[in-house]
Amino acid sequence: NAGVTQTPKFQVLKTGQSMTLQCAQDMNHNSMYWYRQDPGMGLRLIYYSASEGTTDKGEVPNGYNVSRLNKREFSLRLESAAPSQTSVYFCASTVDPGTEQPQHFGDGTRLSIL
Amino acid sequence: GENVEQHPSTLSVQEGDSAVIKCTYSDSASNYFPWYKQELGKRPQLIIDIRSNVGEKKDQRIAVTLNKTAKHFSLHITETQPEDSAVYFCAASGGGSYIPTFGRGTSLIVHP
Repeated sequence: NAGVTQTPKFQVLKTGQSMTLQCAQDMNHNSMYWYRQDPGMGLRLIYYSASEGTTDKGEVPNGYNVSRLNKREFSLRLESAAPSQTSVYFCASTVDPGTEQPQHFGDGTRLSIL
Repeated sequence: GENVEQHPSTLSVQEGDSAVIKCTYSDSASNYFPWYKQELGKRPQLIIDIRSNVGEKKDQRIAVTLNKTAKHFSLHITETQPEDSAVYFCAASGGGSYIPTFGRGTSLIVHP
């Protein structure tokens, strides 16, 4: 039981390049989330998927797109990377939205954009 | 929407002392309050949670208290140890919202 798996763990991009961050969970959770973490800013929600087939914007969605590929997988895409998107990205999942259950986080992707 | 404020942003204690981190929330419909610990370079992990029908919950050296009337909840760590050094996040969710709201985090430093 791996929990939430994120790939890659580290990535360096040049401004304007694109890339996709992958996330998969094996806990049969319905809801999945993407956060970015910057010093002093806590965890800020980029996008979430309450259930398979649905996605919604969070607090900081600009410059990102997401795809809920199936129940297990939720990817985050940067179409044209900017230095302001340098951050640590965490994927998380939970059983159902709005329920009294915790989120389970992946190990994070450390992304640097030059 | 929900707003969660967390204080202090940094807390420095001596080994063996107690540490208290406080959070306030704005949405009276919130009913689930987890606390996460994030060690340097690691993922946030749940350490304790409390639901709105409970006022206090303990797990060994950690405890959480909830005051729904005042809309605040606190994390208490007793007999702190160097391995307690980490960033701690509170969160609030429920009341029909799909999105948990996190506090900005408290960096706890325990000096040996």
